[in-house]
This record gives sequence, C-alpha cells and structure tokens, in this order.
Amino acid sequence: NAGVTQTPKFQVLKTGQSMTLQCAQDMNHEYMSWYRQDPGMGLRLIHYSVGAGITDQGEVPNGYNVSRSTTEDFPLRLLSAAPSQTSVYFCASSYVSGREQYFGPGTRLTVT
Amino acid sequence: KNEVEQSPQNLTAQEGEFITINCSYSVGISALHWLQQHPGGGIVSLFMLSSGKKKHGRLIATINIQEKHSSLHITASHPRDSAVYICAGADQFYFGTGTSLTVIP
Repeated sequence: NAGVTQTPKFQVLKTGQSMTLQCAQDMNHEYMSWYRQDPGMGLRLIHYSVGAGITDQGEVPNGYNVSRSTTEDFPLRLLSAAPSQTSVYFCASSYVSGREQYFGPGTRLTVT
Repeated sequence: KNEVEQSPQNLTAQEGEFITINCSYSVGISALHWLQQHPGGGIVSLFMLSSGKKKHGRLIATINIQEKHSSLHITASHPRDSAVYICAGADQFYFGTGTSLTVIP
C-alpha cells in the first residue's frame, strides 16, 4: 500500500492564481481531511469528508474548496491564492473519524 | 487561548534520560491522539487513547479524561527520538502547538 500520497511536494504561486493540491489514499478509509501547518500555530483543520459525496468545513475553510467524488481522492482547491495561504498542507485519512490518522508527506506552498 | 496546551514547548535532553511531555485541554474530548513529526516534516500517529495507559516500545502515553490531561513519556531517550510531539483531540479540530524535543548524544 502507498498509504496517503500528496502532490506536488512544493509549489510556488503568484497572488490570484488557482491550483489544486492532490491527495489520494489506497486504504479504503472513509474519513479524509486537509490541514495547514503554520509556525507557532499548530495544525488547523481546513475541510474534511466522512465519505464519498460528503464534505464539511473545518476551522479555517475560507479560500479553499474540496470535493470527494471517490473514496480514494480528496483534492483541495485554492480559488485565488493569497500570501496568507503560504503554508505547509497535510492531507490525512482514517478508517472513520476519531480513529488513528495516516498523514501524507505534505505540500509546501508559497504564494508571492 | 488554545483549547489544547502542551508543555514544555521545547525540551533538550541527554541520551538515556526519561522524558515527559504534558498535554492539557479545556474542551470535551472523548479521546486523544499523540502524533510525532519528524525533522523532515512527516507526521505519524503514535497513540490514540481514551482512558488509562498505552505502551509501545519505549513510549508510554497516559490519559485522565476527568482531569483533562495526558502525558507522553519516553524512556531511555535516544537521538532518533528528536522530533516534534503533538497532542490532538480525537475529533481532529483541536491540536496542541507541539513540543520540540532534541536528544543530545
């Protein structure tokens, strides 16, 4: 099993550009989530999904969209990048909410 | 005020020392995760516990739900234990800011 994969590993965007961060898991997990990690702030939940077709907002959802058309994939879309979205983004999955989480390797995003 | 507080924020230990990292929370959490973030950035789950104690190798985690407190202990610490340790509520909305541990040979 590959576990949780994320692409790209690094990305530089200009303000106003849009992009999609990809996340996939091959463990048949129902629960998937996106976090951002900023210095001194800890991990913060952006969006999560409890199963295909079901998504919901976390603590910091503004500026981000998600969809969950399959169990395996949970892409995160930045609609119009802003410097405040410079961060490291982690995708995670678990069998169900609250169980052990498996994290992807992260995407380091810089918005100039 | 963060709903999940960890202490200490930074910790330096000599190899072989016994280490304790504390986590206190002010929200209703039915279970708590301990995560380890390696210097390269990868995050792995160490424990999920809702009561009592769990042990995995040299790592021991305890939790007291009534007192809203959990501890992570590392026995016979080793330089490879150097990492950031993060506690988080099982509902995944609440994370501590992490404890950065450095173990010196």
